[in-house]
Amino acid sequence: EDKVVQSPLSLVVHEGDTVTLNCSYEVTNFRSLLWYKQEKKAPTFLFMLTSSGIEKKSGRLSSILDKKELFSILNITATQTGDSAIYLCAVENTGNQFYFGTGTSLTVIP
Amino acid sequence: DAGVIQSPRHEVTEMGQEVTLRCKPISGHNSLFWYRQTMMRGLELLIYFNNNVPIDDSGMPEDRFSAKMPNASFSTLKIQPSEPRDSAVYFCASNLGLATQYFGPGTRLTVL
Repeated sequence: EDKVVQSPLSLVVHEGDTVTLNCSYEVTNFRSLLWYKQEKKAPTFLFMLTSSGIEKKSGRLSSILDKKELFSILNITATQTGDSAIYLCAVENTGNQFYFGTGTSLTVIP
Repeated sequence: DAGVIQSPRHEVTEMGQEVTLRCKPISGHNSLFWYRQTMMRGLELLIYFNNNVPIDDSGMPEDRFSAKMPNASFSTLKIQPSEPRDSAVYFCASNLGLATQYFGPGTRLTVL
């Protein structure tokens, strides 16, 4: 059964901390892995990863994919209260079907 | 334990045709969301229902789009007439209260 598992389920940190969110997957015919940030209703797109070992970076956020070990991590450095959100991971297969994880809820305390 | 179910998975149609996308939320969930994903715009919220009632449809692109939720276990998103710019992946998601949304596998729509 194809699935995406995120860990931890929730995380509480202090401002300035660095966090690492994990996404592991078992999806046949992998095409891409996507990270989203969901604050209110609509998730916003963060990264799309298709190749192993190539880090994608946007400000304090970065992500990398390991297609051999079937996982991805999302790093957030120098966290701010505005980073508080649910972070979703999704994997798309070559049949254009998406599998979403249940998300990691991040709370950043001032 | 079935998740959110969407059908069809793929739809290829010609411009001007009517398209109907279907969603069955997770049993017990009281909110349902329709999203559209494109590479250009990312994930856009089109409409969401709470207890079968449309709460916010401000994301619906135009009158060609309509959504219904006749009961707690079924929703449709209809496009009539369809246009090539409607080509996208359409997601349905559901949740209970303020909990994490559970997404369906998506329907990839191609309008020629």
